[in-house]
Amino acid sequence: NAGVTQTPKFRILKIGQSMTLQCTQDMNHNYMYWYRQDPGMGLKLIYYSVGAGITDKGEVPNGYNVSRSTTEDFPLRLELAAPSQTSVYFCASSWGQSSYNSPLHFGNGTRLTVT
Amino acid sequence: QQQVKQSPQSLIVQKGGISIINCAYENTAFDYFPWYQQFPGKGPALLIAIRPDVSEKKEGRFTISFNKSAKQFSLHIMDSQPGDSATYFCAAEKTSGSRLTFGEGTQLTVNP
Repeated sequence: NAGVTQTPKFRILKIGQSMTLQCTQDMNHNYMYWYRQDPGMGLKLIYYSVGAGITDKGEVPNGYNVSRSTTEDFPLRLELAAPSQTSVYFCASSWGQSSYNSPLHFGNGTRLTVT
Repeated sequence: QQQVKQSPQSLIVQKGGISIINCAYENTAFDYFPWYQQFPGKGPALLIAIRPDVSEKKEGRFTISFNKSAKQFSLHIMDSQPGDSATYFCAAEKTSGSRLTFGEGTQLTVNP
């Protein structure tokens, strides 16, 4: 099994450009998440989804949008890229709501630079 | 508001030494405390976890110590190896209905 696959691995954007970070999982997990990782800041939840057609905001949703049309895919959209969105983005999935009985499975990340 | 505070931000240990990473939390409703390990270029992966009904959990060289009254928990890595060099995140969750809250991360380097 591939697990959680993220594309692209690296991307450089100019200020104001838009892009979509792709995430797909092949574990039939209901829950999917987008996190951003900044040095010394830990992992911050951007958006999450509890199933196809259902999404909700996390801690830091401003500047991002998501959709969940299928169980497998959970793309993250940046409409007007800003330097503050320079970060490493991780997609994750889990079977259930609580990580106690359903640990998060992470992809390998997308490193985004906005200049 | 940072609900889980982690320290130190970076740690350098000699091979064979003990690595200790500390976390403190604020929300007394948290009832599950996992640690995630992240190697360079990879996503985090679950390493070990504890619930507050026990004070310690050990898996091989990795041990979590939990102090409910102080609202603190720590990861101890015994006989640290260069292969343990990674970033470690503590986290906390209220299993009945919140998302994982992560600490800031600790970059561990184990020198040979």
